[in-house]
Amino acid sequence: KQEVTQIPAALSVPEGENLVLNCSFTDSAIYNLQWFRQDPGKGLTSLLLIQSSQREQTSGRLNASLDKSSGRSTLYIAASQPGDSATYLCAVSNQAGTALIFGKGTTLSVSS
Amino acid sequence: DTEVTQTPKHLVMGMTNKKSLKCEQHMGHRAMYWYKQKAKKPPELMFVYSYEKLSINESVPSRFSPECPNSSLLNLHLHALQPEDSALYLCASSQFQGLRTEAFFGQGTRLTVV
Repeated sequence: KQEVTQIPAALSVPEGENLVLNCSFTDSAIYNLQWFRQDPGKGLTSLLLIQSSQREQTSGRLNASLDKSSGRSTLYIAASQPGDSATYLCAVSNQAGTALIFGKGTTLSVSS
Repeated sequence: DTEVTQTPKHLVMGMTNKKSLKCEQHMGHRAMYWYKQKAKKPPELMFVYSYEKLSINESVPSRFSPECPNSSLLNLHLHALQPEDSALYLCASSQFQGLRTEAFFGQGTRLTVV
């Protein structure tokens, strides 16, 4: 059974720092991996999608990498801002054909 | 347009009430999903519809009844809920189920059962 783990569970940084969020998964037979952002009490906003054949994706200050063989992904946020404060969720789409399986998320707080 | 629209945003219902949650997308996606999210927990899959047919039911109690009237709409009918069913209910869609496609989520319906 696929399990997704995110470390750390919470992270506090001052504005301007670069930071890395980690995601690991137990079954490497995935179609893709998706990073989401969730503000308190709100829905999920898709940040980046990495296909299983890709190594990384970039969008603005965000860069996500994927190492399928080791079951790891990282989300790199450059020059963090207070507006980046949110919970970041990692989710994988299994080749078994079911829907996304989520990690528990990393709650990020960026102070000004 | 990458928007999934959910209504209502908030819902308070008694344990004897019947209510429905609605979800709509106009991206031409053929897979639609219902997730349930409790506070400080990740979303948990409830149902998957593929080409308007129910393809996955994650052993959800029968007091939750999904319906997919057409390819753009997904409903979740609620009846005789319990207080522990209070949660954020999220709808999502993707081009196809389980393939190499991006999933888009709505803003959710915050349900409180009293």
